[in-house]
Amino acid sequence: GENVEQHPSTLSVQEGDSAVIKCTYSDSASNYFPWYKQELGKRPQLIIDIRSNVGEKKDQRIAVTLNKTAKHFSLHITETQPEDSAVYFCAAHRRGDWGKLQFGAGTQVVVTP
Amino acid sequence: NAGVTQTPKFRVLKTGQSMTLLCAQDMNHEYMYWYRQDPGMGLRLIHYSVGEGTTAKGEVPDGYNVSRLKKQNFLLGLESAAPSQTSVYFCASSYFRDRSSGELFFGEGSRLTVL
Repeated sequence: GENVEQHPSTLSVQEGDSAVIKCTYSDSASNYFPWYKQELGKRPQLIIDIRSNVGEKKDQRIAVTLNKTAKHFSLHITETQPEDSAVYFCAAHRRGDWGKLQFGAGTQVVVTP
Repeated sequence: NAGVTQTPKFRVLKTGQSMTLLCAQDMNHEYMYWYRQDPGMGLRLIHYSVGEGTTAKGEVPDGYNVSRLKKQNFLLGLESAAPSQTSVYFCASSYFRDRSSGELFFGEGSRLTVL
């Protein structure tokens, strides 16, 4: 089955700096890669996703890049703000594996003023 | 729309007791899931359902049972609770437009402690 590894487990950045979280996956059949944000005590929510036919996707200050050859994808947050402090989860979906996402272990991002 | 709602939000059990977590969604989603979240381990899939009357095992199904008698409800049961089942449980639902993507909509979570 799919195995998703996420690094780093914690990330501390100064407000205004950029944050990068990297994930690798094992199954070359995976074709959908979402990122979820979970604020303290809240539910996870989708912030951005990318499909395997696209190399990069941007939405305001966040972007995701995908390297299918190396089987890794990354989340980039620019101009970080205190409200970006949260746990971020990457995930991968294997084509044909109905509805099942394999999540990474999560990255705790702390943005300090 | 309420989205995905879970009950109860908090529960303390003694080892060996049983309980049921209820998940309800009002978005007419076909797919529903139960995840558990433990520190440093991300979200692990317990069981899921691709439609009314169907269920399937996820990554960590042992010690849990589920039922999907109605499309909008997905129940998670613990027949004999163990301390290892102390966790935060999240229900989620999704509507797949095709076979390669689908946003998960999560409930608020249920914190279960087994003493």
